[in-house]
Amino acid sequence: DAGITQSPRHKVTETGTPVTLRCHQTENHRYMYWYRQDPGHGLRLIHYSYGVKDTDKGEVSDGYSVSRSKTEDFLLTLESATSSQTSVYFCAISTGDGSQPQHFGDGTRLSIL
Amino acid sequence: QQPVQSPQAVILREGEDAVINCSSSKALYSVHWYRQKHGEAPVFLMILLKGGEQKGHEKISASFNEKKQQSSLYLTASQLSYSGTYFCGTALSSNDYKLSFGAGTTVTVRA
Repeated sequence: DAGITQSPRHKVTETGTPVTLRCHQTENHRYMYWYRQDPGHGLRLIHYSYGVKDTDKGEVSDGYSVSRSKTEDFLLTLESATSSQTSVYFCAISTGDGSQPQHFGDGTRLSIL
Repeated sequence: QQPVQSPQAVILREGEDAVINCSSSKALYSVHWYRQKHGEAPVFLMILLKGGEQKGHEKISASFNEKKQQSSLYLTASQLSYSGTYFCGTALSSNDYKLSFGAGTTVTVRA
């Protein structure tokens, strides 16, 4: 299994509070991704990174920011959490372009009350 | 743009076959297939690159029809372990580092 660790695995917080999710990899893969998964929507890309300090937006980036200061860590921040951001968040890693697979972490279940 | 998967759900008895389709309105470079069991992470199954090659994983195989921009996943002689939600993810070019995922097809295999 790819060495991907997401933390925390579960979190319950209140509307308006900041939340940071962490993805840590031991594979030295260049590309890292944050997805959210909601019923009926599959996996939707929030942000991705193609190197240290190199990040870009995905299709559902509003309300989220990311940072990558080291190859192994990719952080997802909800500056002011809203109930619509209640979801399961997955981190994924890959070695390259569309010909390479993505490998997923175990996910973080986030509930915002 | 998100690819369209069909059917949304399928129920099988052990030993039966099923086909899941993934269609795009845009020209594709590759199609990825993943399986996700309830409460777990998606697991990579296989990648199809344009060129129409067919691949296999256990008794699960897939094809990619470039003319139709459609990939099909074939579950042959299904086993209980095949239950889960299957997602296709598509890339538009060799420089495309992002995947667009379909909404998923839920497969239930019953004894």
